[in-house]
Amino acid sequence: QKEVEQNSGPLSVPEGAIASLNCTYSDRGSQSFFWYRQYSGKSPELIMFIYSNGDKEDGRFTAQLNKASQYVSLLIRDSQPSDSATYLCAVNGPGGFKTIFGAGTRLFVKA
Amino acid sequence: EAGVTQFPSHSVIEKGQTVTLRCDPISGHDNLYWYRRVMGKEIKFLLHFVKESKQDESGMPNNRFLAERTGGTYSTLKVQPAELEDSGVYFCASSQGGDQPQHFGDGTRLSIL
Repeated sequence: QKEVEQNSGPLSVPEGAIASLNCTYSDRGSQSFFWYRQYSGKSPELIMFIYSNGDKEDGRFTAQLNKASQYVSLLIRDSQPSDSATYLCAVNGPGGFKTIFGAGTRLFVKA
Repeated sequence: EAGVTQFPSHSVIEKGQTVTLRCDPISGHDNLYWYRRVMGKEIKFLLHFVKESKQDESGMPNNRFLAERTGGTYSTLKVQPAELEDSGVYFCASSQGGDQPQHFGDGTRLSIL
């Protein structure tokens, strides 16, 4: 079992729809959770971070964390073609230091 | 505020040669991380500095890789001698706190021929 698992996709949604990206992690002691967006050939760009159970909203983005289920998700409302990218889920282990990345989910937003 | 900068952006060397990658973190960020992404795989943690000290180097592949951060500012990652499987994109990231969001540089694309 991978430490951080994501569906590789591609996930295709029409413009204006909600895109839902999911991630599960294996280490129950994980403490902090991040979503990065990576355009082809570019570096990862931080989108959201969440530390506590529940939802965290920032603009069109909502991160959801459920530590009991070891599950973290990212919702993108009103998806735009410019949101088309690979979304990386990253998890910090106990102590908050070593970051483990998932392989990423490719998102396509169709105009 | 300047972001994380990495140099060079690309490096092409022959097997057996030595290459040194450099990372300048965001000013004031004590935490500096090195990652590697090989073709088709996920980004893998290599090591983590807190100031000039190695906090965790469990991800370093083998002793051909040497990372330093003298003075707690910029860091270098040296590969000596380079092997074909070392090809990939090497990312550097920095953060203020150990569990704070990390900011990534643009990466160095390393190709070993």
